[in-house]
Amino acid sequence: SQTIHQWPATLVQPVGSPLSLECTVEGTSNPNLYWYRQAAGRGLQLLFYSVGIGQISSEVPQNLSASRPQDRQFILSSKKLLLSDSGFYLCAWSAQGPNYGYTFGSGTRLTVV
Amino acid sequence: LAKTTQPISMDSYEGQEVNITCSHNNIATNDYITWYQQFPSQGPRFIIQGYKTKVTNEVASLFIPADRKSSTLSLPRVSLSDTAVYYCLAPIYNQGGKLIFGQGTELSVKP
Repeated sequence: SQTIHQWPATLVQPVGSPLSLECTVEGTSNPNLYWYRQAAGRGLQLLFYSVGIGQISSEVPQNLSASRPQDRQFILSSKKLLLSDSGFYLCAWSAQGPNYGYTFGSGTRLTVV
Repeated sequence: LAKTTQPISMDSYEGQEVNITCSHNNIATNDYITWYQQFPSQGPRFIIQGYKTKVTNEVASLFIPADRKSSTLSLPRVSLSDTAVYYCLAPIYNQGGKLIFGQGTELSVKP
């Protein structure tokens, strides 16, 4: 069966520090991968999505970047965190195609101080 | 892009049937309707998906009329553990099924 792993679960980082969040998927190949952010407990915002290795689409201009170095690995990064980067970050995967459901990871709670 | 509109919040009591209606007036021909459930500090969980008429699984039923401009998620005999946010979404067919979340409906089930 397919599983998605996301870590760390919580993170407290100072303003200006770098960020790296990792997401991996097992049990499938060539998945679509997504990074979402949720602020204030509501409203998931799509940040990035990827349909293949090295293929990243950015949905909103921001202080973050994403990379997909391997088929089932998706990384969210920042060189210098801002206070506004705080939030709940969720990774998700779906099979290729428009009618497949998403499976979300357990999320990372990031607090920038 | 099919914009969906649903109530911000709903209250119910244990054992009742809950119906959450979502409007999607400009849904595209190839778009499906998908519902997700989210508990606090967890990722959303897929509940049900449909294109037209009625779909039922072990968790819920989904009713979509012939014009497909709305859909209704039906939760039979809710319990306290059904308290969550429910999202109605139309995956963007021509963009690989990309999901754009709205605010969702916050369902509160009381004893």
